[in-house]
Amino acid sequence: GESVGLHLPTLSVQEGDNSIINCAYSNSASDYFIWYKQESGKGPQFIIDIRSNMDKRQGQRVTVLLNKTVKHLSLQIAATQPGDSAVYFCAENKRAYSGAGSYQLTFGKGTKLSVIP
Amino acid sequence: DAGVIQSPRHEVTEMGQEVTLRCKPISGHDYLFWYRQTMMRGLELLIYFNNNVPIDDSGMPEDRFSAKMPNASFSNLKIQPSEPRDSAVYFCASSDRAKETQYFGPGTRLLVL
Repeated sequence: GESVGLHLPTLSVQEGDNSIINCAYSNSASDYFIWYKQESGKGPQFIIDIRSNMDKRQGQRVTVLLNKTVKHLSLQIAATQPGDSAVYFCAENKRAYSGAGSYQLTFGKGTKLSVIP
Repeated sequence: DAGVIQSPRHEVTEMGQEVTLRCKPISGHDYLFWYRQTMMRGLELLIYFNNNVPIDDSGMPEDRFSAKMPNASFSNLKIQPSEPRDSAVYFCASSDRAKETQYFGPGTRLLVL
């Protein structure tokens, strides 16, 4: 079936190191992907997105890589800081046109990132 | 920009009681989504609206759940009667069709005893 899943449920990194969070998706028709960060007690917060016509996109300290051949998505965080500790979700656009046009997101289970000071 | 606003932030109720969760989307956004998050099942889409019209409610668990969007700036999710298994964090999100990115509210943490 169609699903979005994560390879690693937990990840611990030393402060200052780079972090890589991975995600696999199975719907080859998905054309839009988003990474969200969720801190304890808060709602998911948008980090960065990428469309299927790109294979890399950079933001501030974050980079998303998309490999459509193997249906793999990754989030790279440079110089990881304690404030980066959170659960990270990838989500894919599961287009489901229903007259008005719609954009349903399917979320993965999440990866917990712990930054060691 | 105030972001998506949800109320209440926390709700504790007894089994059998009616629960109403409220959401104010970001002004100008024409999509509104209701999600439920639990440790076991993660984030689940319950229902979403486009221009105040429900588009897909296939994620609503059962008839005890209902959602409405009477106008562009307000939606509510009702559970009647509530059950302990409804305990979860309920999120509301909104998006602009052109951008697709969904912006989430802070959530309502519901505990049904």
